[in-house]
Amino acid sequence: DQQVKQNSPSLSVQEGRISILNCDYTNSMFDYFLWYKKYPAEGPTFLISISSIKDKNEDGRFTVFLNKSAKHLSLHIVPSQPGDSAVYFCAATQYSGYALNFGKGTSLLVTP
Amino acid sequence: DGGITQSPKYLFRKEGQNVTLSCEQNLNHDAMYWYRQDPGQGLRLIYYSQIVNDFQKGDIAEGYSVSREKKESFPLTVTSAQKNPTAFYLCASSPNRQGYTEAFFGQGTRLTVV
Repeated sequence: DQQVKQNSPSLSVQEGRISILNCDYTNSMFDYFLWYKKYPAEGPTFLISISSIKDKNEDGRFTVFLNKSAKHLSLHIVPSQPGDSAVYFCAATQYSGYALNFGKGTSLLVTP
Repeated sequence: DGGITQSPKYLFRKEGQNVTLSCEQNLNHDAMYWYRQDPGQGLRLIYYSQIVNDFQKGDIAEGYSVSREKKESFPLTVTSAQKNPTAFYLCASSPNRQGYTEAFFGQGTRLTVV
């Protein structure tokens, strides 16, 4: 059973605008969340993370928001650039846990 | 350079044959993982190891086997019992046994059964 869900398989955004990627989780024991970016035929690369003691974490153009009561997190990319076009995976784990649980990914296309 | 090396990048296997995928890391990480990616399926955990000579099954371990004889190496064998082995396989490692930080991934191996 999928414990991490990314319900939008794809998203298209114009360059310079905001991209918002969403993720929901079902396991209330998860307390550490990550976003990865992946290009075809390559391994995922880490983007940004957040622990459950926070509700927001920023790193440059990337901000992750966590709503624990709704079991929802989102990744905001501002401003979006064509180089951001990739598949984005949401992942979650327990801080004392062992491995990441991944969503199915959202394919982001940023158009000029 | 420090990192995770998976080899080969592309692998072809005949039905009924076992095949071993290599994963080596020089990051001095304790934990290592194998994931499988299929189109539209995200990344699913096959096996993981938090320490040398110890490993646990993930969500889809059937038809796979692993070993962890050295800290740096975590090879994955895809056996003939794996019913649908064609996929993109990703190896990862992370530094902590207790607690967590981000996992670092290799570049993947594309396995095709012919």
